[in-house]
Amino acid sequence: DAKTTQPTSMDCAEGRAANLPCNHSTISGNEYVYWYRQIHSQGPQYIIHGLKNNETNEMASLIITEDRKSSTLILPHATLRDTAVYYCIVRARGANNLFFGTGTRLTVIP
Amino acid sequence: GAVVSQHPSRVICKSGTSVKIECRSLDFQATTMFWYRQFPKQSLMLMATSNEGSKATYEQGVEKDKFLINHASLTLSTLTVTSAHPEDSSFYICSAGSTDQPQHFGDGTRLSIL
Repeated sequence: DAKTTQPTSMDCAEGRAANLPCNHSTISGNEYVYWYRQIHSQGPQYIIHGLKNNETNEMASLIITEDRKSSTLILPHATLRDTAVYYCIVRARGANNLFFGTGTRLTVIP
Repeated sequence: GAVVSQHPSRVICKSGTSVKIECRSLDFQATTMFWYRQFPKQSLMLMATSNEGSKATYEQGVEKDKFLINHASLTLSTLTVTSAHPEDSSFYICSAGSTDQPQHFGDGTRLSIL
């Protein structure tokens, strides 16, 4: 699976959009981009995933660049409960397992 | 609601005892489940892949005789930490899901060995 690179930490003001970047420059054509988050002392929570088109659901939006070498997770209106570690993971089609990097620790500030 | 249930959520026990952790898929049948371990301030590390009806596949460096995995049904996988010692204290997390669908995670089990 391709390696991902994320900033170690980010802050975001409550109510503002949180934009979390991820680089995956070695991604191959059959690999999806997945985003999970982990709130302290809980299991990871699935947020969203995509292959090449932008995706949106009730939690977030995922913007994938045209060359697929990077992506951005957008939380449109961050709340204090969005404070967590956010993991960007590349997963091949047909693969089951996930390999976690170090993620981005997002702190939403009142 | 939760699609993967993990039990117990917390265990404290003496050194030398064995501890069993259960992982259940609630809304679907899972032929494959995964077990992870997470030490404080670190990321999740995949320990093993649990395969229904066959032997588990362990990641490099994980002792199969130490961490026994049983996946006897399509909805239940168990991880038994045998003869646990303080260095086995960690946060153990399971996940389940089907191919090309998102994996869903349990809420984790915090294991503390005294």
